[in-house]
Amino acid sequence: DTEVTQTPKHLVMGMTNKKSLKCEQHMGHRAMYWYKQKAKKPPELMFVYSYEKLSINESVPSRFSPECPNSSLLNLHLHALQPEDSALYLCASSQAKESSNTEAFFGQGTRLTVV
Amino acid sequence: KNEVEQSPQNLTAQEGEFITINCSYSVGISALHWLQQHPGGGIVSLFMLSSGKKKHGRLIATINIQEKHSSLHITASHPRDSAVYICAVKGGSQGNLIFGKGTKLSVKP
Repeated sequence: DTEVTQTPKHLVMGMTNKKSLKCEQHMGHRAMYWYKQKAKKPPELMFVYSYEKLSINESVPSRFSPECPNSSLLNLHLHALQPEDSALYLCASSQAKESSNTEAFFGQGTRLTVV
Repeated sequence: KNEVEQSPQNLTAQEGEFITINCSYSVGISALHWLQQHPGGGIVSLFMLSSGKKKHGRLIATINIQEKHSSLHITASHPRDSAVYICAVKGGSQGNLIFGKGTKLSVKP
């Protein structure tokens, strides 16, 4: 199994809603990442988890709250989002963040629209 | 200046043509990735390179570490190759990728 599975594929939410994005991998990877991608732009790093611990937070607003309940799962909790947060949210994983030559695997993304 | 530069930004080709996409980077790296993204979709890893050359089907990727340059070649291009091709390097301690802006390829039948 070389897949990173993200759910849901599409999400429309109001600015007062609370929702969660989910990411799952069963490759034994110990590094997992959240990226945000706006249209026609490259992905931007949001969070890095290494061995289930938050390793980096790239100055992301607190309305985005990551969680890594175990080595296979990564969540992104959303609350009080703004319309400009509408984007494709991509999850990725790799064997370990310190390892130099490990391939990155990406999920299909969650297309988020904030109304 | 971006740490990862790709050229061209947009590329239109006729089916069957040989295609080259270039990537230059300015940081020290441990590996370079070529990624493919179809419209509205997720990202698929095509190659990971730290030296030399790799081939997979009609795709060939090369890297020159001394010149900090990589190329992605597509032989006998096909409309289904139409996608955005992204060069990304792994240079930081956090293991995250630093992305180029992508090359949008359209292959016409």
